[in-house]
Amino acid sequence: GQNIDQPTEMTATEGAIVQINCTYQTSGFNGLFWYQQHAGEAPTFLSYNVLDGLEEKGRFSSFLSRSKGYSYLLLKELQMKDSASYLCAVRDEEQAGTALIFGKGTTLSVSS
Amino acid sequence: DAGVTQSPTHLIKTRGQQVTLRCSPISGHKSVSWYQQVLGQGPQFIFQYYEKEERGRGNFPDRFSARQFPNYSSELNVNALLLGDSALYLCASSLASGSAEQYFGPGTRLTVT
Repeated sequence: GQNIDQPTEMTATEGAIVQINCTYQTSGFNGLFWYQQHAGEAPTFLSYNVLDGLEEKGRFSSFLSRSKGYSYLLLKELQMKDSASYLCAVRDEEQAGTALIFGKGTTLSVSS
Repeated sequence: DAGVTQSPTHLIKTRGQQVTLRCSPISGHKSVSWYQQVLGQGPQFIFQYYEKEERGRGNFPDRFSARQFPNYSSELNVNALLLGDSALYLCASSLASGSAEQYFGPGTRLTVT
């Protein structure tokens, strides 16, 4: 089976840096994804890691360690509009082919 | 370019009824995946189709079925609706079944009373 764990909620202030962790257990790992989802809206793609290391894209960075089954999403220079749910998802070819298996999401609240 | 479109936006049904949800992928995308998202949870994988063939199925009962048409649009059907089927149903499209990025549509909010 598969298990994806991420914190339920996090809070931070504008301009700060926040790190959202995700741990996973899969049998056929083939990539880890981060999505952002504002309330009442569809998830939007943030990042994709398939090899170990850090992927940077503007204010957002994502890290993967396959041996540890661990990833994090790093958000820098936080803005109020970053308040959203952040979803960690893995592609597990043994469980779901090329579709995605999502965690429950981390609700991030950014205050001024 | 238009993104992924889904219809209807909202739907209210009663227990025991049947529902059909529709999805049109981004032009040029050949793979469509369906997800169910219950409030407060992450999306749960239901089906994936590529080139009109089922490529994956999640842990959902046989009341759930889907198909993909020659123009790559897709329908999700749910029979004998239960209260627990109330959720946001998301469609995601990608160029191919193994593409890195999946683009989600706005979803259909289904309420079963």
